[in-house]
Amino acid sequence: AQSVTQLDSHVSVSEGTPVLLRCNYSSSYSPSLFWYVQHPNKGLQLLLKYTSAATLVKGINGFEAEFKKSETSFHLTKPSAHMSDAAEYFCVVSYQGGKLIFGQGTELSVKP
Amino acid sequence: GAGVSQSPSNKVTEKGKDVELRCDPISGHTALYWYRQSLGQGLEFLIYFQGNSAPDKSGLPSDRFSAERTGGSVSTLTIQRTQQEDSAVYLCASSREVRVESSAFFGQGTRLTVV
Repeated sequence: AQSVTQLDSHVSVSEGTPVLLRCNYSSSYSPSLFWYVQHPNKGLQLLLKYTSAATLVKGINGFEAEFKKSETSFHLTKPSAHMSDAAEYFCVVSYQGGKLIFGQGTELSVKP
Repeated sequence: GAGVSQSPSNKVTEKGKDVELRCDPISGHTALYWYRQSLGQGLEFLIYFQGNSAPDKSGLPSDRFSAERTGGSVSTLTIQRTQQEDSAVYLCASSREVRVESSAFFGQGTRLTVV
């Protein structure tokens, strides 16, 4: 069975410092993995996706994620946080046939 | 259209009434998904449609919930005899096809409040 676990429900960083949002997945076969962001009162926006090509995936707004099969992880990182990065982030694994399984979400706060 | 469109954006209904939520997917997208997001919760899968195949209804929480997709485009999610626990944001998404690498694009959601 496929599942995804976001290890932190809330992460707080200072502006200009690195961001790390952790995600682990379980899958019986090679998954596709996504990160989505949801700003307050906005829709979900795709940040990046991994689909068995390069293991280091670059997304929008300076975010990137690295697929590590040995660790079953797909952590999201950004070198320097910006105030506008404050939002809810969801790690998502794609079920065979396209069904998306969402993690519980990580709320990112950015302090000035 | 340019994106996934959902209507209404907000709906307040009395307990016991039926509601219909509408989703217009991106033109040309053959896959359509419905999810529910409750306060402080992640996204709960409800149902998805792919072309003319039978929909995957495995996420529908009860027989009060149903969905249809007419002509492979617009979809309607119907909740009968609404209960307070149905209050949530209902999100629709579409993708070009149901393949593991397809990206799903989400609408803004319908916020349903059952009073």
